[in-house]
Amino acid sequence: QVQLVESGGGVVQPGGSLRLSCAASGFTFSSYGMHWVRQAPGKGLEWVAFDGTNKYYPDSVKGRFTISRDNSKNTLYLQMNSLRAEDTAVYYCAKTNGASGTFTDYWGQGTLVTVSS
Amino acid sequence: QTVVTQEPSLTVSPGGTVTLTCASSTGVVTSGYYPNWFQQKPGQAPRALIYITSNKHSWTPARFSGSLLGGKAALTLSGVQPEDEAEYYCLLYYGGSWVFGGGTKLTVL
Repeated sequence: QVQLVESGGGVVQPGGSLRLSCAASGFTFSSYGMHWVRQAPGKGLEWVAFDGTNKYYPDSVKGRFTISRDNSKNTLYLQMNSLRAEDTAVYYCAKTNGASGTFTDYWGQGTLVTVSS
Repeated sequence: QTVVTQEPSLTVSPGGTVTLTCASSTGVVTSGYYPNWFQQKPGQAPRALIYITSNKHSWTPARFSGSLLGGKAALTLSGVQPEDEAEYYCLLYYGGSWVFGGGTKLTVL
């Protein structure tokens, strides 16, 4: 069965960096596009990054966040630099249906990132 | 800045029918926006329900259906159950960018 397990969250000071990981199992990881999605406390979902045929980011994180993957380890990463208080959120990874990411099916349970001094 | 708009809240009686909608600030929503719908209960990760307008995942209950309605994407729940009380989010694709709606809090009362 498909499993996605995020890790790497924690407390970081403004301006700091953090790298999140998403360990995938139960499917051929290299064949599928993957998203990172976040949810600030008490707020809605916000798309953060996509890795598939191409990499995409919204303006809110472009230039600060980098999505990458290691297919040999079945792991997706999110490198987050120059962190701000507004980046505080639960970060989820989500699997899509293929390299182009037409739709999302499975989600992990999330990892909490808190940006605070 | 593209905005996707959903009803902030809706209330439905058990056994009733309710339709949630998803509108795009760019205009009419078509299947080319690959509308996705997700359900999220408190303290849980989102769960995918509907993809590309009207397709159900293998785990999606039959009472959930998706469509295009009046220029918007729509999610209809027929025969609502108490366990359907949750937040519902739509997701639209804009060619290299994905935008979630603000969510609809569905109360079953």
